[in-house]
Parts: sequence; C-alpha cells; structure tokens
Amino acid sequence: EVQLVESGGVFIQPGGSLRLSCAASGFAFASFAMSWVRQTPGKGLEWVSTISESGSTYYADSVKGRFTVSRDTSKNTLYLQMNSLRAEDTAVYYCAKEARAYYFEYWGQGTLVTVSS
Amino acid sequence: DIQMTQSPSSLSASVGDRVTITCRASQGITNSLAWYQQKPGKAPKLLLYAASRLETGVPSRFSGSGSGTAYTLTISSLQPEDFATYYCQQYYTTPYTFGQGTRLEIK
Repeated sequence: EVQLVESGGVFIQPGGSLRLSCAASGFAFASFAMSWVRQTPGKGLEWVSTISESGSTYYADSVKGRFTVSRDTSKNTLYLQMNSLRAEDTAVYYCAKEARAYYFEYWGQGTLVTVSS
Repeated sequence: DIQMTQSPSSLSASVGDRVTITCRASQGITNSLAWYQQKPGKAPKLLLYAASRLETGVPSRFSGSGSGTAYTLTISSLQPEDFATYYCQQYYTTPYTFGQGTRLEIK
C-alpha cells in the first residue's frame, strides 16, 4: 500500500524558512517523480514543484528561487525547503507520487503552513 | 501557462441523478487530463487520467471524455458518497494547472 506522510508544517513569520518532509512507503520511491501541490481556500490547488526520478527539478514561477525540492532515496523521503516565506505561501502542502504519465496518482494527507506576523 | 476553466463552479443534484462537469483548457492538451475528487479535510483522490481512463478501484459510474481543449466528467447515477468537490488538471506541460473546482452538493 502506497503511503505518503507529510510533516513540518508550522506557523511562521514572513521572511522565515521551513523544510517540509514527506515519508514515502509502499513503492519504489527512487523510480518515480514526486511533487508538491498546495491548496488555499482562495486559489484552490496549485502545483508547486516536481523532482523527477533522475533528479531534475521543476518549479512554479511563484516559488522559483525561494523553494528547493530534493529527495533522499536512502530514506525514501521527499523534501521542500521553503525560504523567504510570504503570506501568500500560506496553504496546505501535499506531497504526491506521480504516475509514469505525470498525473498525481497518490497524495499524502497534507501539512499546514501558515505565514503570518 | 495553460488555464483550466471548470463549469459549473457548483452544482446541486439528487441521489440517482446524472451529472456532467466540464473542463476547458486554454490550449490543446492532447488528452493529458486528470480528474480528482476531494472531500472536506481530505486529500484529492485520482478518479480518471488520460481524459477517459478509470483509475483502479474507482466505480464505473464515473466516466470521462473529450479531446483537444474540452473535456467532461460524468457521474451516471449519483451516490451519497459522491457529494464532494471535483477538480480537473492538465499534465500536458509544466506548470501543471488545475481547474478551480466544482462543488457537488445534495439538492
């Protein structure tokens, strides 16, 4: 059974940094692309970043230069390093396993990040 | 970026009804379209991919169709557990983009 468990969401002030983690199990983690998707009441679902099985990374323009996605295949864990946080980064952040054709096959339960002074 | 426009944004229906949700892309996406169902407080769940392929375990009352820029999700006979919010998503190219969602409510 595929399981994705996010952690690291907190209440943080603007300008701060935070690292989210996503522990994966039940599949060959190193063989699939993984993504982060966030959700806010106002903007709905927004793709944030993807890391391919080969380690190539892709970002939404809204986070490019501030967020960094990485993965540790020895720990079956996906990360999202979030720097220079802004109020508009407030959201529930989901990690998702991509299928071979790039849609989001499985999702974690999400972790809430609140950026506010 | 490819814009995804869903309609309607909300829909009231009764158990047993047939409902259709439409998703339109701002450019052709060659069937690289997925549909997700989300219930309050839960993560989205994949229903269909490649516009019309049913994910394993999803009931056959869900179906998808379309091509080019216009796609539809149909639920043939609504069940109580189907009342939720539905999203389309294009994965033709990054940035992957979602529709704004259709909230399906009980009439």
